[in-house]
Amino acid sequence: GQQVMQIPQYQHVQEGEDFTTYCNSSTTLSNIQWYKQRPGGHPVFLIQLVKSGEVKKQKRLTFQFGEAKKNSSLHITATQTTDVGTYFCAGSNDYGQNFVFGPGTRLSVLP
Amino acid sequence: GAVVSQHPSRVICKSGTSVKIECRSLDFQATTMFWYRQFPKQSLMLMATSNEGSKATYEQGVEKDKFLINHASLTLSTLTVTSAHPEDSSFYICSARRDLREETQYFGPGTRLLVL
Repeated sequence: GQQVMQIPQYQHVQEGEDFTTYCNSSTTLSNIQWYKQRPGGHPVFLIQLVKSGEVKKQKRLTFQFGEAKKNSSLHITATQTTDVGTYFCAGSNDYGQNFVFGPGTRLSVLP
Repeated sequence: GAVVSQHPSRVICKSGTSVKIECRSLDFQATTMFWYRQFPKQSLMLMATSNEGSKATYEQGVEKDKFLINHASLTLSTLTVTSAHPEDSSFYICSARRDLREETQYFGPGTRLLVL
């Protein structure tokens, strides 16, 4: 079955440093979504990428979808303490089935 | 827009009792609702997909007789944990999709269940 992996599992950064999390799927994805879950909270939708090689930006966050539509990345520039949380990628296969969440990357930002 | 609520937010029950969790889409009609389970510091595990007016589709390994799902309307889905046991203690989160063309899921705040 389809598997979605994320690395790293944990990341501790100093405030102001950059952060990147990588998402890899065992199968081609029709799209990739990114969610953020704050400690004690619920996942909140951040963005969806659909096209091969697509890059989208939201302020300090840059999202990229790989050319083969099997991997994606989320890059945060100059992290802030408000960026703390777990970032999940999620996607379904090329047939729009099996929507699967990755295990998440937990980000800690030290002030 | 796209607000999803869950009730209750926390529940403690005795082993052997049943607990019902409600998931409501407040400002939109949800064609599909999803139920997830999340263990501490782990990812979301999809339990079942629920479409209004039809039977829920359960993921492999999820007992449909234990986790009863009813999707009575386009704004309400319920999950009933029957004969709860301590190992059912978890964080249960629902999400809703606005329409079939959009894969974005809007999550409820979750329900923390503790079975004693």
